[in-house]
Amino acid sequence: GEDVEQSLFLSVREGDSSVINCTYTDSSSTYLYWYKQEPGAGLQLLTYIFSNMDMKQDQRLTVLLNKKDKHLSLRIADTQTGDSAIYFCAEGPFYNTDKLIFGTGTRLQVFP
Amino acid sequence: NAGVTQTPKFQVLKTGQSMTLQCAQDMNHNSMYWYRQDPGMGLRLIYYSASEGTTDKGEVPNGYNVSRLNKREFSLRLESAAPSQTSVYFCASSDRTGSSNQPQHFGDGTRLSIL
Repeated sequence: GEDVEQSLFLSVREGDSSVINCTYTDSSSTYLYWYKQEPGAGLQLLTYIFSNMDMKQDQRLTVLLNKKDKHLSLRIADTQTGDSAIYFCAEGPFYNTDKLIFGTGTRLQVFP
Repeated sequence: NAGVTQTPKFQVLKTGQSMTLQCAQDMNHNSMYWYRQDPGMGLRLIYYSASEGTTDKGEVPNGYNVSRLNKREFSLRLESAAPSQTSVYFCASSDRTGSSNQPQHFGDGTRLSIL
């Protein structure tokens, strides 16, 4: 079945780059997504990549997709304290359903 | 610019009580979803509705019922609450535009505690 895995924690110094990794099992999804969740809030869409692309850049965010290894990463350049949050990777939709499969989330902590 | 609105934001229940979580979206989306979020487990899909009048089970439907009242509203009901249902519940909506799917948009969540 479908499964999406992420490491639970990442700690980085302010100004450094952060790289959050995700692996998935089902390669039939159309898109792969990154969502951000700040404390006490819902999930906010950060960026997404079409499954036939290798890379997408959006200001400080770079998404890399390695389809062969079923590996997705999110790089945040010049990480700021405001980037501290939980980041969820998700894949989908599948076939004729709009469902997404979410990873467990990676908690990013940025320290001065 | 409301998007997806969930009520209530917080609720405490006793075991065995019932309640309904409300969700409404103003983006004219066809699909709506209910998830629960538990520590270390990410988001798990409870139920979803691909269009008005249809509902389908997700990964963890036991103990829940849903109603797609109209295109805008999708409610989640706990008939007899159990402590294992203590969680944060999120509603989301999405739609298709031609051959491409639009991302899911989330509400701010309902934090539910069952004593």
